[in-house]
Amino acid sequence: AQKVTQAQTEISVVEKEDVTLDCVYETRDTTYYLFWYKQPPSGELVFLIRRNSFDEQNEISGRYSWNFQKSTSSFNFTITASQVVDSAVYFCALTQGGSNYKLTFGKGTLLTVNP
Amino acid sequence: GAVVSQHPSRVICKSGTSVKIECRSLDFQATTMFWYRQFPKKSLMLMATSNEGSKATYEQGVEKDKFLINHASLTLSTLTVTSAHPEDSSFYICSASRSGGLEQFFGPGTRLTVL
Repeated sequence: AQKVTQAQTEISVVEKEDVTLDCVYETRDTTYYLFWYKQPPSGELVFLIRRNSFDEQNEISGRYSWNFQKSTSSFNFTITASQVVDSAVYFCALTQGGSNYKLTFGKGTLLTVNP
Repeated sequence: GAVVSQHPSRVICKSGTSVKIECRSLDFQATTMFWYRQFPKKSLMLMATSNEGSKATYEQGVEKDKFLINHASLTLSTLTVTSAHPEDSSFYICSASRSGGLEQFFGPGTRLTVL
C-alpha cells in the first residue's frame, strides 16, 4: 500500500514570505513517481512537477523549488517570495510503476497568501 | 497539447434523477481515464479506472451500479450518477492518460448539486 501525508492542513503567510509545504510518502516499491499539483479556487488541478524515484536532484523553477530526499521519504515544495496568486490548495501525489499508474493523493495543504 | 474537458461544469438536479458527466480528451487518445470525487476541503478520492473498450475497475467502497462508467472511445468517457441523492453532491474530476503514459491530464471538474 502507498500513502502520502501532508501534515500541514492550512498555512497562512504574508506576501513575499517564503513558505515550504511538506510531503512525506510511504511505498514499498523501488520505482515510483511523485507529483505536486496546485488547485486554485476554480477547482482545476494544475500540474507543477513530477519526480521519479531514481532522480533525487532538487529542482528549481522560478519561485518554486522542490527538495526530494529518499532517506526521509520526503518531497517538500518551497515557494520563494510568495504572491497572492499562489493562494490555493496544493496536493502531493504518488504513483508506483504499473499498468495504470493510479495516483494516491495527500490530503492537501491550503495556502493563503495575504497582501 | 493534452487538454481534457468536462461537461457540464456545473449541474443541479433533483433527488432521484440521473446525471451524466462527460470527459473528453481533446487532442490526444486516452486509453485510460480516471474518475475522482472530491468533497469540500478534502482530497481527491479515486472512484474508478476505465480503459477504452473494457469495463471500469472500481475502487473499494464505490458502488458500480450507482456510478456507471463508460469508456466507449479513445476520447470520451462518461460517468452517470444514477438515482442521485443529496449525499452524491460533490466535485467530480476526470483525468486521462495516453497508452503507457505516466502522466494524468486533468479535466476542470464538474460540480454536482443534488437537491
